[in-house]
Amino acid sequence: GAVVSQHPSRVICKSGTSVKIECRSLDFQATTMFWYRQFPKKSLMLMATSNEGSKATYEQGVEKDKFLINHASLTLSTLTVTSAHPEDSSFYICSAANRGPYEQYFGPGTRLTVT
Amino acid sequence: TQLLEQSPQFLSIQEGENLTVYCNSSSVFSSLQWYRQEPGEGPVLLVTVVTGGEVKKLKRLTFQFGDARKDSSLHITAAQPGDTGLYLCAGARSSGAGSYQLTFGKGTKLSVIP
Repeated sequence: GAVVSQHPSRVICKSGTSVKIECRSLDFQATTMFWYRQFPKKSLMLMATSNEGSKATYEQGVEKDKFLINHASLTLSTLTVTSAHPEDSSFYICSAANRGPYEQYFGPGTRLTVT
Repeated sequence: TQLLEQSPQFLSIQEGENLTVYCNSSSVFSSLQWYRQEPGEGPVLLVTVVTGGEVKKLKRLTFQFGDARKDSSLHITAAQPGDTGLYLCAGARSSGAGSYQLTFGKGTKLSVIP
């Protein structure tokens, strides 16, 4: 149980285009989903917290107009990187929570490369 | 900002040796979780500790939460090459409305040499 999927696993896009990443909880309903970014050899940095049916809460320094988050259902959240630039290249990981008050279950990540 | 200091950052040991990874903070967390992450994959939850002084065992892995709920340790007995990976500690704090956010340590990259 507690399986979270992400799609796509890898994406290469050209500078200026937008990319959408999907995060799905497969076997449980996630009232809250989180989006993280991880740079090489670094830890996870929380970008935003997404609650179903409401606006996402962004961490300080994260541009909400650049990283659009939608949490339309209890099993799906999407992150859209708009007008991507090479500096947006990174490993993006989502997590979902609803089992117990503390645990988050992570997706396998999406490697974004902007050329 | 509630920071988690994780040490050591890198650890290379021989198969069969024991090791301990530490996670320390000046702040109190509601719980502390340990994850293991393989390259190119998301973190996998190993354990959650909630009560001060709590000890949990997962085969050769022993996790302890400090009495004051500010620090935690992960001890691996008789390490095996399969234990190689990135170990992350994460402290949970309430973000309101019943949900919790995680603050991650920088991770410990463990290499176990056969």
